[in-house]
Amino acid sequence: AQKVTQAQTEISVVEKEDVTLDCVYETRDTTYYLFWYKQPPSGELVFLIRRNSFDEQNEISGRYSWNFQKSTSSFNFTITASQVVDSAVYFCALSEEETSGSRLTFGEGTQLTVNP
Amino acid sequence: DAGVTQSPTHLIKTRGQQVTLRCSPKSGHDTVSWYQQALGQGPQFIFQYYEEEERQRGNFPDRFSGHQFPNYSSELNVNALLLGDSALYLCASSLGGPKTYEQYFGPGTRLTVT
Repeated sequence: AQKVTQAQTEISVVEKEDVTLDCVYETRDTTYYLFWYKQPPSGELVFLIRRNSFDEQNEISGRYSWNFQKSTSSFNFTITASQVVDSAVYFCALSEEETSGSRLTFGEGTQLTVNP
Repeated sequence: DAGVTQSPTHLIKTRGQQVTLRCSPKSGHDTVSWYQQALGQGPQFIFQYYEEEERQRGNFPDRFSGHQFPNYSSELNVNALLLGDSALYLCASSLGGPKTYEQYFGPGTRLTVT
């Protein structure tokens, strides 16, 4: 069965520090999709990125970067030069094309606090 | 371009009562998924509606039911409310049914059962 593990429950950093959020997943499907969502205190989940299982190329978007490694079943998220506005709960999620279609399986989330 | 909207924002109900939550998908989207998020946890998939039919269902009892209307909006109904049903209920919309992988979430409805 599919599973997503975010071992870091809470992380606290000082502004301008770099921070990496870890995500480890389990799946039996060969075709699957990995996601990161941001949930600010307002509650709405904000889509950050989607990667498919055939594309292991790392991606950078501004201060955000993602490292996908199939060999270790990990999809880690790094924020460079963190800012107070980055404070939120971050969720990693998984969809399996054959087994579960587009339904998302979420990890438990990592609460990131960026202090000024 | 209107995003996903949900109503009401907050709701307080008593054990045993019934509740209906509503969701309007993002403009152009035809698929609606519902998730339950208990405090401090990740969202859990309840079910997905496409072409006015339930296409996928998570591990939730029959007390949870839904509906999708011809305009693609959706309702989530919960009967015989339990204290454990207190949670943030999130609606997500997408285009193209169970094989699409980009979902946009609404702000959620916070349900409190007393």
